[in-house]
Order: sequence, then C-alpha cells, then structure tokens
Amino acid sequence: AQKITQTQPGMFVQEKEAVTLDCTYDTSDQSYGLFWYKQPSSGEMIFLIYQGSYDEQNATEGRYSLNFQKARKSANLVISASQLGDSAMYFCAMREYTGFQKLVFGTGTRLLVSP
Amino acid sequence: EPEVTQTPSHQVTQMGQEVILRCVPISNHLYFYWYRQILGQKVEFLVSFYNNEISEKSEIFDDQFSVERPDGSNFTLKIRSTKLEDSAMYFCASSDRGRTEAFFGQGTRLTVV
Repeated sequence: AQKITQTQPGMFVQEKEAVTLDCTYDTSDQSYGLFWYKQPSSGEMIFLIYQGSYDEQNATEGRYSLNFQKARKSANLVISASQLGDSAMYFCAMREYTGFQKLVFGTGTRLLVSP
Repeated sequence: EPEVTQTPSHQVTQMGQEVILRCVPISNHLYFYWYRQILGQKVEFLVSFYNNEISEKSEIFDDQFSVERPDGSNFTLKIRSTKLEDSAMYFCASSDRGRTEAFFGQGTRLTVV
C-alpha cells in the first residue's frame, strides 16, 4: 500500500531564504508520480510541482524544485527565495500508476514565512 | 485557464439530511475524484470515477455516499443521511490522462449540525 510521510508539522523561514520541506514515500510500484500541493488559509489546493518515477532530472517550476532521491524514496520540496505569500500548508502526495491512480496525501507541513 | 468549479462553497445542513455537492470538472478531463479533508487533518481519497463508473473507492465511501455524472459536465457527490462526522471540506478533482497532476476545485465546506 502506498504511504506518504511528512515529518515536519511546522517550519519557519525568513523572507528571501530557501526552505526544504521533507517528504518520504513508500510504494511497491515501479511507476508512480509525486506531487506537491499548497493549501493557503483560504482552503483551496494549488498544484505546485510533479515528478515522475522515471524522470531522471529533478523537476523545477519557478521558485519550486523537487529534490527526488529514488533510492531513499524521498521527494523533498525546495522553495527558493521565500515570500510572505508562501505561508501555507504544503502537502506531498503520490499516485501509483496501476489501478485508477488516486492521490494519497501526507499529513502536511505548515510553513510560516516571516519578514 | 480552465479550472474545476465547485458549488456551493459552504453548506450547512442538519444531521440526517441529504446533501448534494456539485462539481464541474475541466472539460476535456476523463478522470474525476472526490476527496475530503476534516479540519486540520490530511486530505483523504473518497472515490474515483472513470468512463461513467466508479473505478475505486475508499472505506470511507460507504452506502451513504454516491456519485453521478448526470450530464456531460457535472459531477456530483451525494450524502444520503448526513452525520456530524461528515463535516469537512470536500474537494472535487479531475485529470486528463491520469499520469499528470489532478486539478482541484476550491472545495465545499460542509458543516453538519
């Protein structure tokens, strides 16, 4: 069964600094995708970045990058140059590509960016 | 930019009443999902829907729940007889080929009193 673990319930970072949010996963599938979503206080789920299990390069989207270490089963999110608007909950999620591909989420990390 | 739309944004209902949560997925998407998030907790999968039928459901999705795609655009989640513990944020999501990200609606906050 697939499982996502986020061990950091909360993280603090100063504006303009980089921060890494940890995510480890467990799956017996060879083919899967890893996702990060941002949930601001307004409640919506905003897709940030995706990494496929066969992708050799780490994914990047603007200030977001995903540090994918397949052997360690980790998919950490790196946010560079933090902004006040980055304060939110961040969820790591995984989708196995067998079956009908539901997303399984971690418990989330609350990030607070201070001026 | 295409988006998933959910209505209503907030619904308050009495215990035992039926509720229908509505979603309009992105038009060319083929996979549809409902998730829920109890306040302060993680997002949990409820059900997936593909080719006009349920493809997978979780243990949470018991006989009180049902989904429908009544026409080409809407996707609904019905809770037949709401319980206090059904109070949560319900998210609809859709994706195209399944091997890409799922786009989420803004959620419906259901409060059962």
